[in-house]
Amino acid sequence: DTAVSQTPKYLVTQMGNDKSIKCEQNLGHDTMYWYKQDSKKFLKIMFSYNNKELIINETVPNRFSPKSPDKAHLNLHINSLELGDSAVYFCASSRLAGESIGEQFFGPGTRLTVL
Amino acid sequence: DQQVKQNSPSLSVQEGRISILNCDYTNSMFDYFLWYKKYPAEGPTFLISISSIKDKNEDGRFTVFLNKSAKHLSLHIVPSQPGDSAVYFCAASRRDNYGQNFVFGPGTRLSVLP
Repeated sequence: DTAVSQTPKYLVTQMGNDKSIKCEQNLGHDTMYWYKQDSKKFLKIMFSYNNKELIINETVPNRFSPKSPDKAHLNLHINSLELGDSAVYFCASSRLAGESIGEQFFGPGTRLTVL
Repeated sequence: DQQVKQNSPSLSVQEGRISILNCDYTNSMFDYFLWYKKYPAEGPTFLISISSIKDKNEDGRFTVFLNKSAKHLSLHIVPSQPGDSAVYFCAASRRDNYGQNFVFGPGTRLSVLP
């Protein structure tokens, strides 16, 4: 069973469209994240959700909006797609328990190409 | 502003030898450090971590060393195997009022030559 899954794996779309990427984790983790890996291969955090509350929002355009219907899901909605949004997007989850820090488990990534 | 740096974009090592991957950070508030390994077309997978109260953590062939005064950590892989060929990301973490904040370095591509 896949611990963190993302759909779709590949997404090709036209500029100006609205699209969503889904993420699900079956690890029972408290926190989920979205990362963007740009053309220079940097992994940059976009959002994290803990118990359905947004707790980190790094300066990401408001065209991007995370939606968490429940603790196991964190979907990423992108409005009015731009060429610069082309990247690989990774979903991740981790456990926050007391003072211990849980490592993150990553999904396989979604390669978004905006034409 | 890169808070976590991996200054070597790539590294080639002969099979059986030691691989040493380096990572530097600038934020002294980081209190936990992790190494991830990434194969092409897959997400990063956790490898090993170290708390800032320690200076060494070992797990099989993998050892992470932390030098807090130098804000430097390194990952040692010995002996290196061809299957270790991947991109290795260093990550630093700190907990604040908003939860856990992870910052990743740009990665180092390790090639282990048979």
